Amino acid sequence: EAGVAQSPRYKIIEKRQSVAFWCNPISGHATLYWYQQILGQGPKLLIQFQNNGVVDDSQLPKDRFSAERLKGVDSTLKIQPAKLEDSAVYLCASSLEYSGVGNTIYFGEGSWLTVV
Amino acid sequence: QKEVEQNSGPLSVPEGAIASLNCTYSDRVSQSFFWYRQYSGKSPELIMSIYSNGDKEDGRFTAQLNKASQYVSLLIRDSQPSDSATYLCAVSLKPYNNNDMRFGAGTRLTVKP
Repeated sequence: EAGVAQSPRYKIIEKRQSVAFWCNPISGHATLYWYQQILGQGPKLLIQFQNNGVVDDSQLPKDRFSAERLKGVDSTLKIQPAKLEDSAVYLCASSLEYSGVGNTIYFGEGSWLTVV
Repeated sequence: QKEVEQNSGPLSVPEGAIASLNCTYSDRVSQSFFWYRQYSGKSPELIMSIYSNGDKEDGRFTAQLNKASQYVSLLIRDSQPSDSATYLCAVSLKPYNNNDMRFGAGTRLTVKP
């Protein structure tokens, strides 16, 4: 079974530029997540989709971050304009269900962003 | 106060020893608890989930939960060098639910041959 695919794996941009990350979840997974993991910290949930609807975006900095999930499958996370503090790994994850015992979240390898 | 606190380590144990990792959380109504392992440069992977007080064993791993004291721990028996990684504790307010997990910063474990 293919895992969660993310691209690009690495990106270096200057502050105030824009960047977009793409995620393809595991086939059949209804729930998709974007996490931000800053070096030395644990992942922080930015946004969660159930199919193509947003379930939770309470921690998404909406003045500069946006995300969409096209047709309930792939998703794109955009940052515009980027700030130095956005340097982090952006982890996409997916799960089969919304909740329940045994509903495991599978993480992708991450997209590493450096803002200079 | 951080929502989920872990000792950042590094925690160093010899091969074959028991590694003990601890985590405390601030929200008393937390319901679901998870331990993830993250190798350097890799994504987190789920090791254990625990939902009720007591111990839960899975192979060499044992998770312990004490809701009254608001702590959860992970014991790794017969530690191997391949266990060297950062261990993330995550907590959710919802029962049997991992959607709104709050992660700690992780404890880095090194198992020396």
